[in-house]
Amino acid sequence: AQTVTQSQPEMSVQEAETVTLSCTYDTSESNYYLFWYKQPPSRQMILVIRQEAYKQQNATENRFSVNFQKAAKSFSLKISDSQLGDTAMYFCAFLYPPMNYGGSQGNLIFGKGTKLSVKP
Amino acid sequence: EAGVAQSPRYKIIEKRQSVAFWCNPISGHATLYWYQQILGQGPKLLIQFQNNGVVDDSQLPKDRFSAERLKGVDSTLKIQPAKLEDSAVYLCASSAYTGDYGYTFGSGTRLTVV
Repeated sequence: AQTVTQSQPEMSVQEAETVTLSCTYDTSESNYYLFWYKQPPSRQMILVIRQEAYKQQNATENRFSVNFQKAAKSFSLKISDSQLGDTAMYFCAFLYPPMNYGGSQGNLIFGKGTKLSVKP
Repeated sequence: EAGVAQSPRYKIIEKRQSVAFWCNPISGHATLYWYQQILGQGPKLLIQFQNNGVVDDSQLPKDRFSAERLKGVDSTLKIQPAKLEDSAVYLCASSAYTGDYGYTFGSGTRLTVV
């Protein structure tokens, strides 16, 4: 069974600085997808960034980037130039299988989350 | 496009009562998911539908939880009877396989069982 572990329950960072959130996962599969989601107090999960396991290049989205270490089963999120609006819960998630038999997209397995506070 | 709609936003009930949550997914999204998010934890899948058929309900406590997706669009999740440990946020999400593995989440229903 796949598991996702986020070892940092809470983190804080000063505005404009850089912070890295950690995530490790356990799987015996080779083809899978990894995600970071942001959950503000509104509770809606918002996709931050996505990484395909078969791609060696680390994904980037503006101020957000990942460090994907497939052999180590590590998937950390770096937030550069932190902004007050980045304050939220951040969840690492694992998708396998990408597609179920019958053609439906697979199910996300989430870690317990990291509460990030950006301080002015 | 309109987002995933969920109602109610909040619900407080006494234990042993029943409750129902409603979800309207993104138009055209064939796959619908219900997740349970207990305070301090990540969401956990309860049930996944493909159109109006069940793909995965292995983690749904079937003695008290039920869900349906009539006509492959809206979905309802019911709890009867509720227990204190059912207090959680119930998130609905939908997806359409377009190759980008996108999911759209609703804002959830926060259930408190007292």
